[in-house]
Amino acid sequence: EPEVTQTPSHQVTQMGQEVILRCVPISNHLYFYWYRQILGQKVEFLVSFYNNEISEKSEIFDDQFSVERPDGSNFTLKIRSTKLEDSAMYFCASRETGPDEQYFGPGTRLTVT
Amino acid sequence: AQTVTQSQPEMSVQEAETVTLSCTYDTSESDYYLFWYKQPPSRQMILVIRQEAYKQQNATENRFSVNFQKAAKSFSLKISDSQLGDAAMYFCAYGRWSFQKLVFGTGTRLLVSP
Repeated sequence: EPEVTQTPSHQVTQMGQEVILRCVPISNHLYFYWYRQILGQKVEFLVSFYNNEISEKSEIFDDQFSVERPDGSNFTLKIRSTKLEDSAMYFCASRETGPDEQYFGPGTRLTVT
Repeated sequence: AQTVTQSQPEMSVQEAETVTLSCTYDTSESDYYLFWYKQPPSRQMILVIRQEAYKQQNATENRFSVNFQKAAKSFSLKISDSQLGDAAMYFCAYGRWSFQKLVFGTGTRLLVSP
């Protein structure tokens, strides 16, 4: 069964460093998402991406964040200058089209020290 | 803005028993979807069940079923014949038709005892 994959599973970085989280969505999916979950809290929407552009973003998704689909398979989330409060689990999700559900990847745990 | 509320931070159930997790939501939309996701300790988000708002019939998936009350904006999850593997966080989520994002509740931790 096709699945969303994410790398790395865990990344530790120092405050102020740039990180890139990578996702490979399911191949025929057209809509891509990033969510984050701070430990013990609910899952929060960050950004959605369709047709090579951002379709919606939350207040969390400020200028420090960017997304890109550099080729036909990868979907990346970049945090330019990490802060301690960026420590969280980051989930990538993809959706085929229409009213289909979103399929989540296993997540990347980001720890900022 | 749409909101999702899960008022039960934690629920307990014994193996083979039935448990119901509550969820309410607020929206002015008429077409939308509701989901229950399971998050085990691995923290992977696993879809348990979905319900289309335009369908009057409650969705079922094996031991999992929902009680969808559109007028009351209520969407509860019933787990029958609970198993140890059902122990996890359960998140209720809302998505609009052709939705761009999911809005999640705060989650309910389900404990299953032998």
